[in-house]
Amino acid sequence: AQKVTQAQTEISVVEKEDVTLDCVYETRDTTYYLFWYKQPPSGELVFLIRRNSFDEQNEISGRYSWNFQKSTSSFNFTITASQVVDSAVYFCALSEEGTGFQKLVFGTGTRLLVSP
Amino acid sequence: GAGVSQSPSNKVTEKGKDVELRCDPISGHTALYWYRQRLGQGLEFLIYFQGNSAPDKSGLPSDRFSAERTGESVSTLTIQRTQQEDSAVYLCASSLNRDHSYEQYFGPGTRLTVT
Repeated sequence: AQKVTQAQTEISVVEKEDVTLDCVYETRDTTYYLFWYKQPPSGELVFLIRRNSFDEQNEISGRYSWNFQKSTSSFNFTITASQVVDSAVYFCALSEEGTGFQKLVFGTGTRLLVSP
Repeated sequence: GAGVSQSPSNKVTEKGKDVELRCDPISGHTALYWYRQRLGQGLEFLIYFQGNSAPDKSGLPSDRFSAERTGESVSTLTIQRTQQEDSAVYLCASSLNRDHSYEQYFGPGTRLTVT
């Protein structure tokens, strides 16, 4: 069973638009972590955020914000006023207490294209 | 400080040959991970090390794949008798694994092409 689902394969927006990337996860553990990573065209994965299962507070960091909702098993990522430099593949990932938080299970990624 | 480094950055090899991929983790990071990313796909977990031991090898796709880590530092992923389906980017990551710091920091990857 797919543990992390990113249903949006590719999203295209025009600069300054807001965009939300969806992530739905599945786990039986009560303690787990969720992550978002960015993979720009250069290929190197960049860590963006970590959220543990007991902290449902939404987080904002500059133009980035994350909405964690346990009731719907979702951890969505919103970029406000998108810029061309935001073009990348974004991955959502899960690590579970059952694996000692050692194995990241990734979604298949959402490719974001921001055009000028 | 220095991030995770991997070498070589690119490797082209003929089918049937053995290859070794190297990873240097961030200094002080006790945990080290190997993932594989096929073209246009997400990342597949291969193996992780805590110190020099590998508690979880569940992701290694076949017995042609092996990995070792020495001195709680450098790790080598070896693929024997390479096949064309082994073509992928192999990514290494390291993590502090302390005080709930489980985020993994990734290297630039090694792009392996098997011809």
